[in-house]
Amino acid sequence: EDQVTQSPEALRLQEGESSSLNCSYTVSGLRGLFWYRQDPGKGPEFLFTLYSAGEEKEKERLKATLTKKESFLHITAPKPEDSATYLCAVLPMDSSYKLIFGSGTRLLVRP
Amino acid sequence: GAVVSQHPSRVICKSGTSVKIECRSLDFQATTMFWYRQFPKKSLMLMATSNEGSKATYEQGVEKDKFLINHASLTLSTLTVTSAHPEDSSFYICSAMDRYNEQFFGPGTRLTVL
Repeated sequence: EDQVTQSPEALRLQEGESSSLNCSYTVSGLRGLFWYRQDPGKGPEFLFTLYSAGEEKEKERLKATLTKKESFLHITAPKPEDSATYLCAVLPMDSSYKLIFGSGTRLLVRP
Repeated sequence: GAVVSQHPSRVICKSGTSVKIECRSLDFQATTMFWYRQFPKKSLMLMATSNEGSKATYEQGVEKDKFLINHASLTLSTLTVTSAHPEDSSFYICSAMDRYNEQFFGPGTRLTVL
């Protein structure tokens, strides 16, 4: 069964304290892995797509990496405005194009 | 970047009435759109897949006659909650898939049924 697990469930950081969020997945075939950011009361905001193991993408203080079993979202020197829930989702190779989401990591960055 | 809009952002209605929510892809064409429901502090729950020009595919447990989906063009899908009841109150979010299979989400619609 295709599955996505995110850890930790919640993370509190001091401003400037770098850390990583984990997304472990099991899927019969991976079409793509996606990272989104969601603020309270809003829809998810697209961050990255990763397609194959070894791929890395960066955007400002965020860097996403991918292996055959997991993805990491590295946050370097976070700021309070980085506080949000970060969602990981995989798109299996089947024909449905339905995303399988993890339960998310709630990040709080304190000034 | 790809932009998806939803309208309305908030709606309050009386029990028994119907509510229509629109989802538009503003700068790309989307053959496939998706409708999700999200409960407080929970992840997104897929309700249905909407394909342009064909019938929607509903997830198990989602009532087709209650949640009517129409995908009339490559940029517009609508979700109509028929005969709404308080238990239908929720945050509804749509997404649109581009040609690279990336899904972009709308800002969501907060439905409150009194």
